[in-house]
Amino acid sequence: TQLLEQSPQFLSIQEGENLTVYCNSSSVFSSLQWYRQEPGEGPVLLVTVVTGGEVKKLKRLTFQFGDARKDSSLHITAAQPGDTGLYLCAGDYTGTASKLTFGTGTRLQVTL
Amino acid sequence: EAQVTQNPRYLITVTGKKLTVTCSQNMNHEYMSWYRQDPGLGLRQIYYSMNVEVTDKGDVPEGYKVSRKEKRNFPLILESPSPNQTSLYFCASGTRYSTGELFFGEGSRLTVL
Repeated sequence: TQLLEQSPQFLSIQEGENLTVYCNSSSVFSSLQWYRQEPGEGPVLLVTVVTGGEVKKLKRLTFQFGDARKDSSLHITAAQPGDTGLYLCAGDYTGTASKLTFGTGTRLQVTL
Repeated sequence: EAQVTQNPRYLITVTGKKLTVTCSQNMNHEYMSWYRQDPGLGLRQIYYSMNVEVTDKGDVPEGYKVSRKEKRNFPLILESPSPNQTSLYFCASGTRYSTGELFFGEGSRLTVL
């Protein structure tokens, strides 16, 4: 089983602050996804990155895929309470959905 | 509305009492999968299915069974549950390719006493 590490595990910040979450592996990803999970619900896809060096933006969220496709980051600008949740990265090493490996997650709390 | 439906959402049972968690999707997806989520361990894949009658083990299959007789349904069977199977379970469906979105159910919280 491939190991996919996320950091930090927990993050508590105030509204308006910026933050970055990291997702790292020792192996090369075929593709990588970021999901957000809210309490009592299943994860919901935020973005998929495929090409090394790729940057995608979703409103205040910026996702980057490392040049070597072994790591990814999620940057949130001016965090809001609605950003609170568990952020999960999911990497694929094989090119098929069957072997998505999920990271342990980063739990984000944004307070007023 | 496109959705993945799991039942039951909550269940408390006792060791050894067989149970089934149902999962149904209405998106005509070929791929379906079961995960368990435990604190500090993230989502771990139990079993997956690439199509009807095609199933395979994930990373933590011990103590579980699945079947895929119809495209829309993918039940998870615990023949003899044990306390270490206490967990939050998620069913997901999607396309066969990892660049496609995985759609998750709302989860089934299982407690085995």
